[in-house]
Amino acid sequence: QVQLQESGPGLVKPSETLSLTCTVSGYSISSGYYWGWIRQPPGKGLEWIGSIYHSGSTYYNPSLKSRVTISVDTSKNQFSLKLSSVTAADTAVYYCARGAPPVATHAYYWGQGTLVTVSS
Amino acid sequence: QSALTQEASVSGTVGQKVTLSCTGNSNNIGSYAVGWYQQISHGAPKTVMFGNSLPSGIPDRFSGSKSGTTASLTISGLQPEDEADYYCSTWDYSLSAQVFGGGTKLTVL
Repeated sequence: QVQLQESGPGLVKPSETLSLTCTVSGYSISSGYYWGWIRQPPGKGLEWIGSIYHSGSTYYNPSLKSRVTISVDTSKNQFSLKLSSVTAADTAVYYCARGAPPVATHAYYWGQGTLVTVSS
Repeated sequence: QSALTQEASVSGTVGQKVTLSCTGNSNNIGSYAVGWYQQISHGAPKTVMFGNSLPSGIPDRFSGSKSGTTASLTISGLQPEDEADYYCSTWDYSLSAQVFGGGTKLTVL
């Protein structure tokens, strides 16, 4: 069974860069699928941030594209999110997810999520 | 405003059949499979349907369908543990983005 676990700072200052890592177990990232990030501001719905294919090609939410970088480290079986110039509007629970079979960006397996608060 | 439209709330009694809908357009639902996600008490979402396939471990009282630009999630034999928020999602090629509906709050009376 695929398992995903987010990690990273729970508090980030405004204008700084939010950095999160998703560690995958039970499946090798290099074997396939899309791997992505989704977030949920407090009391609101889900928002897709972006996805990366195991080969490294990426898709980003157009509204966040200028600030987002998603990368893969196959040696550690991890993928990461960087979101620059954060503001209070970036406060949310951040989820990592594996894409649906055979090759879809839709989330299929989800991590438990990690709350990131943007505040000075 | 979400690219996909879902009912804000739906309710049903135990044992009843309920159907949640997700309406989009030809750029998204009309062209791609739809995923459905259950979120109980603001916990992590869980995939309960992708296209018309049930992920492993999901009860077969859940079923999915699509007609044109509207997707549906049907729960036959509603159970108390089905009370949750449900989100639909698919790819939108005009936006080049994965899009979500605003979510439906399902209440089991």
